[in-house]
Amino acid sequence: DAKTTQPNSMESNEEEPVHLPCNHSTISGTDYIHWYRQLPSQGPEYVIHGLTSNVNNRMASLAIAEDRKSSTLILHRATLRDAAVYYCILSLTGNQFYFGTGTSLTVIP
Amino acid sequence: NAGVTQTPKFRVLKTGQSMTLLCAQDMNHEYMYWYRQDPGMGLRLIHYSVGEGTTAKGEVPDGYNVSRLKKQNFLLGLESAAPSQTSVYFCASRDSLRATQYFGPGTRLLVL
Repeated sequence: DAKTTQPNSMESNEEEPVHLPCNHSTISGTDYIHWYRQLPSQGPEYVIHGLTSNVNNRMASLAIAEDRKSSTLILHRATLRDAAVYYCILSLTGNQFYFGTGTSLTVIP
Repeated sequence: NAGVTQTPKFRVLKTGQSMTLLCAQDMNHEYMYWYRQDPGMGLRLIHYSVGEGTTAKGEVPDGYNVSRLKKQNFLLGLESAAPSQTSVYFCASRDSLRATQYFGPGTRLLVL
């Protein structure tokens, strides 16, 4: 199984950028890198995904290392509503998503 | 457009009882998934379906059965509930051409 490694927790001040790292040294060439987040007492929600190139959307940016063994989710201006657990996931078949324990992000007012 | 809905929201069972969790989606998605989430843990895939009438095992399938008789519904059954199945169960769906999974709000199950 392709696994990911993330820090258990991180803190950020409100309105500052946040960089959430993810290591995935056993990634295969066809694995997409997905990021989801889970707010308290809710189901996970999609944040962003990419394959090789950096990606941007209205929620975040995804920076992928050239060797694809790591990636970073960037929240440009953290708000209190961004406090959540963030999961970095590699898709093996497109069906079997393996969630790790994720990174719990605390946003300090 | 309700997205993904789950029924019930909360249930208490006694050991040995059976129950069925219902997941419904109104987005015409081909793929549907059942996950469980234990306290402090990430989600683990139980079973999934790539289309009406098909099912496949995920990471932790033991003790569960599933059925996909209609495209919009995915049922998760517990034939004989055990305390180890106390968890929060999430359903998800996605379009076959897109990577994004859409999750329901979850069902909290307590087995005594």
